[in-house]
Amino acid sequence: DAMVIQNPRYQVTQFGKPVTLSCSQTLNHNVMYWYQQKSSQAPKLLFHYYDKDFNNEADTPDNFQSRRPNTSFCFLDIRSPGLGDAAMYLCATSRGSGGTAETQYFGPGTRLLVL
Amino acid sequence: LAKTTQPISMDSYEGQEVNITCSHNNIATNDYITWYQQFPSQGPRFIIQGYKTKVTNEVASLFIPADRKSSTLSLPRVSLSDTAVYYCLVGDREAAGNKLTFGGGTRVLVKP
Repeated sequence: DAMVIQNPRYQVTQFGKPVTLSCSQTLNHNVMYWYQQKSSQAPKLLFHYYDKDFNNEADTPDNFQSRRPNTSFCFLDIRSPGLGDAAMYLCATSRGSGGTAETQYFGPGTRLLVL
Repeated sequence: LAKTTQPISMDSYEGQEVNITCSHNNIATNDYITWYQQFPSQGPRFIIQGYKTKVTNEVASLFIPADRKSSTLSLPRVSLSDTAVYYCLVGDREAAGNKLTFGGGTRVLVKP
């Protein structure tokens, strides 16, 4: 089945130790998104790629970066995780036909724990 | 920055109809309204999308009045498995690039 895959589902890292979260998709969608979701809160968009074009949200900390080496894969890099970065990280994709509120397809998420 | 507003929580019983209203006063002319469902420890899942009037699919209905400043998700005859958080998603015309904004989400608890 076509889908959005996130690995690992759970990630434990140490305070200040760089960590990378992975996302892959078999939908061949142009747009890939990364969201941060803290407990009992709505998902918060960090950034997204439209094809190779990177779009960073204004309030996304510099500590968060992303890479998209090809259509299928997208990575979230946290350079120096702090305790406040512990959250669920959700990857999503959309076709990229240009309309707003385009249907987004979410992966299962990676829960990050910072010790 | 315009926001969507939803009730924080709603309780219901099995077999009842659940209606969740989302306010989106600054919806843009070309924006669609999308609702997502999220179970614990899972990513959100698309439920329904509409532009105006009424849209119905196999799981829900979406009612949108003429001014489009709000929308109501209707879940008919809910079951225990419908317990989840429901998010309203619209485009935001006040933000550059029509950024999508999740509402705060409505936590629906279906009781036996």
